[in-house]
Amino acid sequence: EVQLVQSGAEVKKPGESLKISCKGSGYSFTNYWIGWVRQMPGKGLEWMGIIYPGDSDTRYSPSFQGQVTISADKSISTAYLQWRSLKASDTAMYYCAMTMVTYDAFDIWGQGTMVTVSS
Amino acid sequence: EIVLTQSPGTLSLSPGERATLSCRASQSISSSYLAWYQQKPGQAPRLLIYGASSRATGIPDRFSGSGSGTDFTLTISRLEPEDFAVYYCQHYGRFLFTFGPGTKVDIK
Repeated sequence: EVQLVQSGAEVKKPGESLKISCKGSGYSFTNYWIGWVRQMPGKGLEWMGIIYPGDSDTRYSPSFQGQVTISADKSISTAYLQWRSLKASDTAMYYCAMTMVTYDAFDIWGQGTMVTVSS
Repeated sequence: EIVLTQSPGTLSLSPGERATLSCRASQSISSSYLAWYQQKPGQAPRLLIYGASSRATGIPDRFSGSGSGTDFTLTISRLEPEDFAVYYCQHYGRFLFTFGPGTKVDIK
């Protein structure tokens, strides 16, 4: 079964760093793009960026460029989303999702990681 | 940058009724790159339609997508209780993904 399993919920203070993960299984991890999507409480979906684990080619939404870092470790089939200095406005659910059947839509989603940033 | 607008914001219908959801792009887009998702409370989104009209794996045939240019439509032919949810359209273009703001389909 193809699946993406994300790391657990996080509670952090403003200014702290954080790296959340998304582990792929049941398919060839290096061959499909994985993206990250933010959903702030009660709000819609926002695409943050995408990575091709095969060569780590990474593209960012202009809205998130410089705010987060997306990476992948193909040796352990895991993609990451990282912040250097969290803000309260980073409080959100974060989903990883992959494009498998078609490269332009996300057909497999992780279960989401809730990140809460509060002093 | 493509901006997607969805209407209505909320659609109140009864089970068995037909739902018609609209997604409008700020400029003409290829229908190959227009997708629809369903999201229920507390769940991750689920891909329904890609390429404007192709159903994703396991999606019932009561869901259909159509449209071209700037105007796209998701139709649910007969609403089942499990279809009450939020629906998002999404465009892909040159490594940029854009989501619409969503349409909530709730029970009348």
